[in-house]
Amino acid sequence: DAEITQSPRHKITETGRQVTLACHQTWNHNNMFWYRQDLGHGLRLIHYSYGVHDTNKGEVSDGYSVSRSNTEDLPLTLESAASSQTSVYFCASSDVERADTQYFGPGTRLTVL
Amino acid sequence: AQSVTQLGSHVSVSEGALVLLRCNYSSSVPPYLFWYVQYPNQGLQLLLKYTSAATLVKGINGFEAEFKKSETSFHLTKPSAHMSDAAEYFCAVSEWNQFYFGTGTSLTVIP
Repeated sequence: DAEITQSPRHKITETGRQVTLACHQTWNHNNMFWYRQDLGHGLRLIHYSYGVHDTNKGEVSDGYSVSRSNTEDLPLTLESAASSQTSVYFCASSDVERADTQYFGPGTRLTVL
Repeated sequence: AQSVTQLGSHVSVSEGALVLLRCNYSSSVPPYLFWYVQYPNQGLQLLLKYTSAATLVKGINGFEAEFKKSETSFHLTKPSAHMSDAAEYFCAVSEWNQFYFGTGTSLTVIP
């Protein structure tokens, strides 16, 4: 069955370190998204991509970057981790033809000490 | 930009009672509307969606929602709550391939 996976599921890092969170989907979806989930804020969009080599900034993109070198993967990089980036991160994907539904990964819980 | 408001960050109901979770949106055009459910330590799972067809939408696990354009609302209901319904529920609006989420409502079911 097609799926969307994230790794690692849990990560603890230190302030100032570079961290990369992986997202891999086997739906063959063109659209991929990264969100962060924080209490009282719901889900907020960080970055998104509508296809290979396409990336766009979302609502809370400062301190994050993404690259899309193939259809299946959209890694999220924190260039210099900050305590404010402690959060749960969700990756999602959607199909161009059925762009009205997003499918979510299980999430990565990141703690920045 | 779109905005989604979920009234009540926490809702408690007794097992077997009606579940009503409220969602209002702002949109100048007919939107796509969604309800997602999140169980502890899991990702979001689609419950149901409205895409300009019937205004009453039926989803999984006995949930349904009604689109009311005049009230810009898309409230989620279930006639009889079950213990397994305890979770976080998110309302979302989609426009141009982007989603805008509400802040979520945590549903507690009291036995």
